[in-house]
Amino acid sequence: GAVVSQHPSWVICKSGTSVKIECRSLDFQATTMFWYRQFPKQSLMLMATSNEGSKATYEQGVEKDKFLINHASLTLSTLTVTSAHPEDSSFYICSALWESGETQYFGPGTRLLVL
Amino acid sequence: DAKTTQPPSMDCAEGRAANLPCNHSTISGNEYVYWYRQIHSQGPQYIIHGLKNNETNEMASLIITEDRKSSTLILPHATLRDTAVYYCIVRPPIYNQGGKLIFGQGTELSVKP
Repeated sequence: GAVVSQHPSWVICKSGTSVKIECRSLDFQATTMFWYRQFPKQSLMLMATSNEGSKATYEQGVEKDKFLINHASLTLSTLTVTSAHPEDSSFYICSALWESGETQYFGPGTRLLVL
Repeated sequence: DAKTTQPPSMDCAEGRAANLPCNHSTISGNEYVYWYRQIHSQGPQYIIHGLKNNETNEMASLIITEDRKSSTLILPHATLRDTAVYYCIVRPPIYNQGGKLIFGQGTELSVKP
C-alpha cells in the first residue's frame, strides 16, 4: 500500500504556543488530504479536507482560525494548531487520497500534549 | 451519509476465521463499503473495499449481500496481530464530498491464543 508519514510523531508544548504537524505522501501524489482528531477511547473525527492549491474545507464545529491547514504541494499538507490549550491535546491523524481516488491511506498519527 | 452498525466487540480464537459483520441498510447505489482497522495508538490501516461484488486480497475477503444492505469482513486465519478496532465505512463517490470517510465506533476484535 501507499505510504504516508507524519512529523513529529509526538509533541509536548506549553499552553498558548502553536504547533505544526506535517503530513507527507511518500510514494504518490495526493491532491486531497484529510485531517482527523482522535480522543482517548473514541473514534476518529474528521476535521477538514485539504486540497492542493486551495483552501481547506472544515467540518462543522471545527475552528478554521485555530486549526490552520496548508496544502502547498502534491505531497505535503500541514496542520498548525494555533494558541494551543490543554483541551487540544489529542491524537492527530492525516490521510492522503491515492491517485486513483479510490482509497485513503493514513499516516501513523501525531500525539499532541499541551501543558 | 449512510451509517453503519457494527457489534462493539468480538472475540476470535487464533488460527480461526474472524467474521466481522456490518449493517448499512441506507447505503446508496454509488456508495462503496470500506474496511479499515486501527491497532492501538497507530493510524488506521486500509484493508479492503467493494461496491457490489465480493472482493479478496492478501489480507481479507469482503462479502457484500446482494441487496448491499450488509457486509462481512473475513480474516481467514486470525493471528494475535489482528487484534484491533475494525471500522466498516460507507463512502460516497469522490465527486460527492471528496470521498471523505466518516468513522463510526467500529468493532474491537480480540484474537485470543
